[in-house]
Order: sequence, then C-alpha cells, then structure tokens
Amino acid sequence: AQKVTQAQTEISVVEKEDVTLDCVYETRDTTYYLFWYKQPPSGELVFLIRRNSFDEQNEISGRYSWNFQKSTSSFNFTITASQVVDSAVYFCALSDPGDGGYQKVTFGTGTKLQVIP
Amino acid sequence: DADVTQTPRNRITKTGKRIMLECSQTKGHDRMYWYRQDPGLGLRLIYYSFDVKDINKGEISDGYSVSRQAQAKFSLSLESAIPNQTALYFCATQLAGATDTQYFGPGTRLTVL
Repeated sequence: AQKVTQAQTEISVVEKEDVTLDCVYETRDTTYYLFWYKQPPSGELVFLIRRNSFDEQNEISGRYSWNFQKSTSSFNFTITASQVVDSAVYFCALSDPGDGGYQKVTFGTGTKLQVIP
Repeated sequence: DADVTQTPRNRITKTGKRIMLECSQTKGHDRMYWYRQDPGLGLRLIYYSFDVKDINKGEISDGYSVSRQAQAKFSLSLESAIPNQTALYFCATQLAGATDTQYFGPGTRLTVL
C-alpha cells in the first residue's frame, strides 16, 4: 500500500536559518511521482515540485532544494536562509498506479513550518 | 483570474441542511477531484471524475455526492450535513495523464453546527 510519512509535525526556526523537511514514502511500484505542496496561512495549496522515480537528480530553485534518494525512499525539501514568508504547512505527496488501475495520490499529514523573525 | 475557483469560500450551516460546494476551472483539464482536509490527517479523497461521464468514489465518499455538469464544473453536495463534516474542502484539477500534477482551488471552509 502507498504511504507517505512526514514525521515532523511542527518545526520552528529563526529567520535565515536553513531547514529541512523530511518525507519518506512507501510504494510497491517502480514508476511513481513525488510532489511537494505549500499551504500558507491563507489556506490555498500551492504546487512546488513534481519528480518522477527515474530522475534522482537533485533540484534547486532559488532558496528551495529537493533531495531525492530512492535507496532510502526519501524526498526531502530544504529551504536555505529561511524567511518569514516561508511559514506554512508543507505537504509531500506520492502518485503511483496503486490498486485497481487508478493512479492514486497519497498525501502526507504535513509539516508546519514557523519562521521566527 | 484564478484557474481553479471554489464557491463559497466560507460557509456555516446547521446539522441536517443540504449544502453544495462548487468548483470551476479554466485550465481545460479533464480530471477533477474533491478532497477534504482535517487537522493532522492531510488530504483525503472524496470523489474524482475523469470526464463528464466518469465519476468515481474516493476513500471517504459516504455522506457526499457529486455532479460533473461540464468539463469545467464539478460540484460536491452534502445531502444532510453533520458536524463531523466540518473541514476544509479542496477541488483539484489534473490535465489527463494519471501522473500529471494536480492543481488546487483556494478551498472552502465549511462549518456544520
């Protein structure tokens, strides 16, 4: 069965510190996709990144970077030099063929990040 | 203008009332989804639709129904609202492929008293 674990429920950092949000997933499929979404206090869900299981190259986008390691089934998200605007709940998600042919998307329970000025 | 819109954004209702949440999209996507978010539980799938004639139950469909009026519109109904349906509801769209990114609407915060 598919599963996404975000063990960190809440994290607090002081502005300008680096912070890493952990995501561990479980799937029986060899082809799957991983996602990160941001949910700021206003409530909307903002898509950040999509990565397929065959591409283990790390990705950097400005202050954001993602580390995908199939060997440990992890897809961690690092924010460098955090800012107050980074305060949000971050969700990791997994999409795989699952059972019954429907490409199910499974979300983690989210990590609430608070950046203190 | 937003690509995925939801109305209303906030709603307070009483137990037993019928409620409809609406979702519209201008992204031209075939697939649409309804999720609910509860604190500590992440997002859970209520219903999904691959096109106007293809509607399927998700993991928590009891107490809910949906209607896909057109490619761009997907409505969620609570026939007789109960307090444990108090949650944040999200509509999402997806182009066509099962592995495409899902894009979310702004959410509807529903409170059932």
